[in-house]
Amino acid sequence: DQQVKQNSPSLSVQEGRISILNCDYTNSMFDYFLWYKKYPAEGPTFLISISSIKDKNEDGRFTVFLNKSAKHLSLHIVPSQPGDSAVYFCAAPNRDDKIIFGKGTRLHILP
Amino acid sequence: GAGVSQSPRYKVAKRGQDVALRCDPISGHVSLFWYQQALGQGPEFLTYFQNEAQLDKSGLPSDRFFAERPEGSVSTLKIQRTQQEDSAVYLCASTTRGLYNEQFFGPGTRLTVL
Repeated sequence: DQQVKQNSPSLSVQEGRISILNCDYTNSMFDYFLWYKKYPAEGPTFLISISSIKDKNEDGRFTVFLNKSAKHLSLHIVPSQPGDSAVYFCAAPNRDDKIIFGKGTRLHILP
Repeated sequence: GAGVSQSPRYKVAKRGQDVALRCDPISGHVSLFWYQQALGQGPEFLTYFQNEAQLDKSGLPSDRFFAERPEGSVSTLKIQRTQQEDSAVYLCASTTRGLYNEQFFGPGTRLTVL
């Protein structure tokens, strides 16, 4: 039973446009969410997080939106750049403080 | 300062062999985690150390998996009698505070069991 779901295995976006990566979760006890970025042959790198008391958190080109009623969050990247091509993982710590990761979405930024 | 390092980066083992995977966390990081990432999946928690104490090993898939961190710094994940289903990337992460805030990951060790 997947508690964190990323239903799009891949996404292609034109350079300069907005990239929107989606994530759904099933555990209503989750109260903190993280996004990680992963390049090939490297470990995941923390990108941005959001607490459940907020519905938006912004850091430069990256914004995460949280819709608690829909159990949905999304990561927006504006404008998309070639270096943004990577795999993005949505994640949340469970009540035992273990991080539960989604399967990831591979983002391709097209020139 | 160096980040989290792992060795070897790639390991090929014959089924039944024992393997040892090493993790060097960021200096001063008290918390260390091991994850297993199968192909096409996200990382899955294996075990967690705070200093030398293994506080949680609930994610270890079988008793063939063993992890240690004897001096609270370098950690080793050992897999005995490897099986094909053990093939995965093994990731190590460390953090200085909390259990999950901004964990720093190493590049991983890709284990292939033939």
